[in-house]
Amino acid sequence: KQEVTQIPAALSVPEGENLVLNCSFTDSAIYNLQWFRQDPGKGLTSLLLIQSSQREQTSGRLNASLDKSSGRSTLYIAASQPGDSATYLCAVGGWDDKIIFGKGTRLHILP
Amino acid sequence: GAVVSQHPSWVICKSGTSVKIECRSLDFQATTMFWYRQFPKQSLMLMATSNEGSKATYEQGVEKDKFLINHASLTLSTLTVTSAHPEDSSFYICSARDGGLSRDTQYFGPGTRLTVL
Repeated sequence: KQEVTQIPAALSVPEGENLVLNCSFTDSAIYNLQWFRQDPGKGLTSLLLIQSSQREQTSGRLNASLDKSSGRSTLYIAASQPGDSATYLCAVGGWDDKIIFGKGTRLHILP
Repeated sequence: GAVVSQHPSWVICKSGTSVKIECRSLDFQATTMFWYRQFPKQSLMLMATSNEGSKATYEQGVEKDKFLINHASLTLSTLTVTSAHPEDSSFYICSARDGGLSRDTQYFGPGTRLTVL
């Protein structure tokens, strides 16, 4: 059974810093991996999707990497801004069409 | 881009009553829809998968008689929480997969917050 773990659970950093969020998963036989953003009481916003055959994806200040063999993914946020404050969810898509989510990292960017 | 809506966005009900939540794909046909539940500070947990015109497939531990799912059309799925209890209070999110695109394309709704008194 796939399990997804995100570390740290919460993170506070000053504005302008670069930061890394970590995600690990137990079963390397994945179809894809996605990073989502969730604001309090809101739905999900897809940030980046990495296919199992890919190593990384980039969008603006965001870069996500995938190391399937070690069961790890990282989300790198460059030059953080207060508007980046949110919960970031790592989600692993399986070949059975199901998505397994981590508990998320609550990020707070200090102005 | 494709949009998935949910109605209502929040609902408060008394214990013992039933609540229906709608999930609609607004500009595409959703052959498959998924229902998730999220407790505070917890991850989204898949409850069930529904395909248009067939019975939903429930995840282990989810009571199918309590959480009734109907996917009667390619644009609408409903989740009915029957005889709701306070422990059913949660954030319910649906997602829909566009049957015309690759399996990667799964769109999430904005969620429905259910509070059972």
